[in-house]
Amino acid sequence: DAMVIQNPRYQVTQFGKPVTLSCSQTLNHNVMYWYQQKSSQAPKLLFHYYDKDFNNEADTPDNFQSRRPNTSFCFLDIRSPGLGDAAMYLCATSRDLGHLYNEQFFGPGTRLTVL
Amino acid sequence: AQTVTQSQPEMSVQEAETVTLSCTYDTSESDYYLFWYKQPPSRQMILVIRQEAYKQQNATENRFSVNFQKAAKSFSLKISDSQLGDAAMYFCAYRSANKGGKLIFGQGTELSVKP
Repeated sequence: DAMVIQNPRYQVTQFGKPVTLSCSQTLNHNVMYWYQQKSSQAPKLLFHYYDKDFNNEADTPDNFQSRRPNTSFCFLDIRSPGLGDAAMYLCATSRDLGHLYNEQFFGPGTRLTVL
Repeated sequence: AQTVTQSQPEMSVQEAETVTLSCTYDTSESDYYLFWYKQPPSRQMILVIRQEAYKQQNATENRFSVNFQKAAKSFSLKISDSQLGDAAMYFCAYRSANKGGKLIFGQGTELSVKP
């Protein structure tokens, strides 16, 4: 089945130690998104890629970066994780932008713990 | 800036009964889309139903329907004949029709279904 895959499902890192989260998709979608969902809060968009074009949200901390080496893969890099970065990170994809039926398909998320 | 508010952190319903989840939003845009997403425990978020602001007719998907009141900026979800598998966190979300794919989520409503 076509899907959005996130690895690992659970990630533990130490304060200040760089960490990379991975997302892959078999849907061949143009757009890939990264959302941060802190405990009991709404998911919040960090950035998205439209093909190779990177689009950062204005309030995304510089500590968060992303790479998309090809259509299928997208990575979230946290350069120096702080305790406040502990959260569920959701990857999503959509075929395109704009139209009502360009729905977003979500992966299962990676739960990041910062010690 | 657009905001989405879900005022019910938790709801409970008896199996086979009907439940309505509330959502209000604030926007100055005239063209936008509204969504309800379901996030079961430890599983990925999936789209339940979608609505375009320009369409007055309320969307329906099997047991799920919405009551869209554009003037009141209200978008409630009705689940009929509730099933145990409906237990999940439900998020209301807004997406601008003109500003890409960013979803703005409400805080979520956790729905439990009693057998």
